[in-house]
Amino acid sequence: GENVEQHPSTLSVQEGDSAVIKCTYSDSASNYFPWYKQELGKRPQLIIDIRSNVGEKKDQRIAVTLNKTAKHFSLHITETQPEDSAVYFCAASSVGGFKTIFGAGTRLFVKA
Amino acid sequence: SQTIHQWPATLVQPVGSPLSLECTVEGTSNPNLYWYRQAAGRGLQLLFYSVGIGQISSEVPQNLSASRPQDRQFILSSKKLLLSDSGFYLCAWSVQVGRFDKNEQFFGPGTRLTVL
Repeated sequence: GENVEQHPSTLSVQEGDSAVIKCTYSDSASNYFPWYKQELGKRPQLIIDIRSNVGEKKDQRIAVTLNKTAKHFSLHITETQPEDSAVYFCAASSVGGFKTIFGAGTRLFVKA
Repeated sequence: SQTIHQWPATLVQPVGSPLSLECTVEGTSNPNLYWYRQAAGRGLQLLFYSVGIGQISSEVPQNLSASRPQDRQFILSSKKLLLSDSGFYLCAWSVQVGRFDKNEQFFGPGTRLTVL
């Protein structure tokens, strides 16, 4: 069945450093890859997404890259700040589809 | 604007007791509805999704069930809770997508269930 693997499970960085979270997916029909951020005690919220016809997308300090051949996609956060501390989930689904499969999550700690 | 409600916010139940968690969405019609479970320190596990009234798709065989009696109401139930049912239950909705639309999930505030 469909599966999304996410690494690392925990990531600790110093404020100002970059953070990278990597995911792989198994369903070759997947063509939409969102990233969600869940702050402590709150609900997950979409922060950025990418479609399979694009290799990279950037929004201020966050960027996503996609290698469709290798079925890899990554989240890059530059100039990290303490408020970036949260759990980040990658996910995969099909445009026009109903199901979204989530990775296990990465707990990011940004130390001031 | 659209809002999603879940209740109760927290629940402590004994093993073997029944369960009913409710989710309602306002401000949209014919949404896709989802139930996820988030175990402590783990990811979001899709349990059920529904694309219309009375239409339920189950992703994980277990002692839970879901129902959609109204367009914007989604209920998660169990006849007999297990210890392993403890977790954070999130309801979500998405727009009924067209062929080229993305399926962004909008999550509710969640219900924290502890089974003792």
